[in-house]
Amino acid sequence: AQSVSQHNHHVILSEAASLELGCNYSYGGTVNLFWYVQYPGQHLQLLLKYFSGDPLVKGIKGFEAEFIKSKFSFNLRKPSVQWSDTAEYFCAVNSGGGADGLTFGKGTHLIIQP
Amino acid sequence: DTGVSQNPRHKITKRGQNVTFRCDPISEHNRLYWYRQTLGQGPEFLTYFQNEAQLEKSRLLSDRFSAERPKGSFSTLEIQRTEQGDSAMYLCASRDSLNTEAFFGQGTRLTVV
Repeated sequence: AQSVSQHNHHVILSEAASLELGCNYSYGGTVNLFWYVQYPGQHLQLLLKYFSGDPLVKGIKGFEAEFIKSKFSFNLRKPSVQWSDTAEYFCAVNSGGGADGLTFGKGTHLIIQP
Repeated sequence: DTGVSQNPRHKITKRGQNVTFRCDPISEHNRLYWYRQTLGQGPEFLTYFQNEAQLEKSRLLSDRFSAERPKGSFSTLEIQRTEQGDSAMYLCASRDSLNTEAFFGQGTRLTVV
């Protein structure tokens, strides 16, 4: 069975600080990887996704993530955060050719202080 | 709004009652998913439809839970004989076959008292 581990449940940063949120997954086969964001009071939205090809993927709002297959990791990064990045961030995975549902991590609550 | 729509947004029910939630996916999306999210956790997959066929069910989906998508458009999720442990946010998502991005609704928050 697949599982996703997000290392930090709560992160507090100041504006302009750099961000890196950790995500590790356990699944031996081909995977599709996702980062979703949930702003306060809103629905889950896709930030970025990785299926194949360049392991460094760029998403919306200046976010990027790097797939490191040897480490089973897909960490999310942003060089300079803004107050509006305050949200809950979820890493998710599904197997490339098998079950269709997403397996999510527990989420990281990010608070950006102005 | 052409996104995924869920109704009701909030539902409070007494233990033992039955509840039904509705999800209207994005119109051209043939795949529809139900997830459950409890406080401090990420969404957990419950079940998935391709058109009207229910193709996958999680072991989280006990016998008290049933989902339908009768015409391959909207879907309903029914919980019979609700228990306090059913209190959660129930999320619906949809996507088409070609695009792996799933779009989520705002969810139905169920509180069982």
